[in-house]
Amino acid sequence: NAGVTQTPKFRVLKTGQSMTLLCAQDMNHEYMYWYRQDPGMGLRLIHYSVGEGTTAKGEVPDGYNVSRLKKQNFLLGLESAAPSQTSVYFCASSYAPQGRIVETQYFGPGTRLLVL
Amino acid sequence: GNSVTQMEGPVTLSEEAFLTINCTYTATGYPSLFWYVQYPGEGLQLLLKATKADDKGSNKGFEATYRKETTSFHLEKGSVQVSDSAVYFCALSGSGYSTLTFGKGTMLLVSP
Repeated sequence: NAGVTQTPKFRVLKTGQSMTLLCAQDMNHEYMYWYRQDPGMGLRLIHYSVGEGTTAKGEVPDGYNVSRLKKQNFLLGLESAAPSQTSVYFCASSYAPQGRIVETQYFGPGTRLLVL
Repeated sequence: GNSVTQMEGPVTLSEEAFLTINCTYTATGYPSLFWYVQYPGEGLQLLLKATKADDKGSNKGFEATYRKETTSFHLEKGSVQVSDSAVYFCALSGSGYSTLTFGKGTMLLVSP
């Protein structure tokens, strides 16, 4: 199993450009997440999905859109990139929680994005 | 809302020293607690977890005990190795939908 993979690994954008980050998982997980990691800020949740065709906002959703057309894929889009979106983006996935037991999240290797 | 506070780093230790990284939390209800580790250039991976009060999570020589009375989940290891150098994140579960709230992370640097 490849686990969680992310494409691309690194990208440079100019302000105003758009791009899509792709996350794929082969573990048949119901839940998928997008986080951003910034120095001194830890990980902050952007959007998440609890199943195919569903998405929800996290802590910092502004400037991003997501889609979950297939269970194994979760796309993160930047319609008009801004320098404040320079960050490392991590995708994660997990099984749906059973009762109140939260399932472990599995993370991808990250995408480093630089917006000039 | 939920929040996690970790000690600021970097924590610098010599090999075989004792490690403690403090983590305290604020949450409603009965969250599950986690420690994740991030090695340089990689994504996060689960190190250990505890799902109820007084549970002890352990893995690779690391351990942490879920203390509800002090709302803490401190990470400890008796003898660190150079290969333990990484960033450690404390996290707790949210209410519903399996979301996690992460602390800001603590960098650990272990020298030979």
